[in-house]
Amino acid sequence: EVQLVESGGGLVQPGRSLKLSCAASGFTFSSFPMAWVRQAPKKGLEWVASISSGGGGTYYPDSVKGRFTISRDNAKSTLYLQMDSLRSEDTASYYCARHGIPGYKTPSWFAYWGQGTLVTVSS
Amino acid sequence: DIRMTQSPASLSASLGETVNIECLASEDIYSDLAWYQQKPGKSPQLLIYNANSLQNGVPSRFSGSGSGTQYSLKINSLQSEDVATYFCQQYNNYPLTFGSGTKLEIK
Repeated sequence: EVQLVESGGGLVQPGRSLKLSCAASGFTFSSFPMAWVRQAPKKGLEWVASISSGGGGTYYPDSVKGRFTISRDNAKSTLYLQMDSLRSEDTASYYCARHGIPGYKTPSWFAYWGQGTLVTVSS
Repeated sequence: DIRMTQSPASLSASLGETVNIECLASEDIYSDLAWYQQKPGKSPQLLIYNANSLQNGVPSRFSGSGSGTQYSLKINSLQSEDVATYFCQQYNNYPLTFGSGTKLEIK
């Protein structure tokens, strides 16, 4: 059974940093691209970042580019999201997600999602 | 960026009815489209990928169709457990983008 368990969320002041983690199990982590998707309270879904299976390729929307960094440790089956220069508009639940196709460089759907971790940016 | 316009924003239907949710892409996405179901207080779950492929374990009353810029999700024989918000998502190109969601309620 695929499991994705996020951690690291919490209350943080604007301008500060936070690092999220996602522990993966139930599949060959090193074979699949991974992603982070967020959802502001009572709002829709927004893709935040994706990383290739080997970690060499990373992708971001303009809203977080230069502030957020996605990374992975395949030996530990763990995905990370380093969030710097946080803003109030970054307040959201952050979901770790596994892409649908192993080993591909092109984007695909999100086949599995974690339960999410809440990040609140406020003074 | 590819814009995904989803309709309707909300929908109320009776048990056993058939419902349709539409998603319009701002450009051709070549069937690179997924549908997700998000029940209240839960994380999203994949229903459909490649516009019409049913994810393992998803009931067959769910189906997807479409091509080019127009796509739809159909739910046959609506059940109480189908109460949720439904999202479409394109993965033809970065940035990956979602529709704004359709909230489905039982009448």
